[in-house]
Amino acid sequence: DVKVTQSSRYLVKRTGEKVFLECVQDMDHENMFWYRQDPGLGLRLIYFSYDVKMKEKGDIPEGYSVSREKKERFSLILESASTNQTSMYLCASSVTGGEKLNTEAFFGQGTRLTVV
Amino acid sequence: GESVGLHLPTLSVQEGDNSIINCAYSNSASDYFIWYKQESGKGPQFIIDIRSNMDKRQGQRVTVLLNKTVKHLSLQIAATQPGDSAVYFCADPEPRGGGNKLTFGTGTQLKVEL
Repeated sequence: DVKVTQSSRYLVKRTGEKVFLECVQDMDHENMFWYRQDPGLGLRLIYFSYDVKMKEKGDIPEGYSVSREKKERFSLILESASTNQTSMYLCASSVTGGEKLNTEAFFGQGTRLTVV
Repeated sequence: GESVGLHLPTLSVQEGDNSIINCAYSNSASDYFIWYKQESGKGPQFIIDIRSNMDKRQGQRVTVLLNKTVKHLSLQIAATQPGDSAVYFCADPEPRGGGNKLTFGTGTQLKVEL
């Protein structure tokens, strides 16, 4: 079974702190994604990576950066956490290629981040 | 004070009835679509997909219909069960940079009433 693991299930950080959210997948997937999920707003894409060291901004990249030094790991960084970044963060991965444009994306369980 | 925000579209159905969840897309070049189900406290999970050369695809108790003319998808769940209560998302993978960018809509909350 594909496994996408997020390092923390719950996290509480102070305003201004630098926060790292880690995500690891074990299926050699090329694509990895970070989303945030807020009530009534669905899943919004923050950043997307299609290969090691390759990244692309999603719909709401402001206040975030990412790092993909190894294929299996995709990190989301909040340079200076703010209260409006309190949210559920979801990581996902998927494989590219084949006849299908995209096979299903597999999601981690999410990290609920609270910034106080 | 009380804050008022956007509300997730909600569909309430009686157990045993059929459910229809709708999704509109904007990119007429899109040729592959995926439906996901997200249960409370969990990440989204794949339900069914459809390519643009098909109008209909059936799975177990689920059917997806694609109308390319009006850029509309629907997910039909037959004989809805309490376990179907979840948020449902459609997604439209977009080839980007050698990979596939995956974005979602706001989703629809399905509530199954006993």
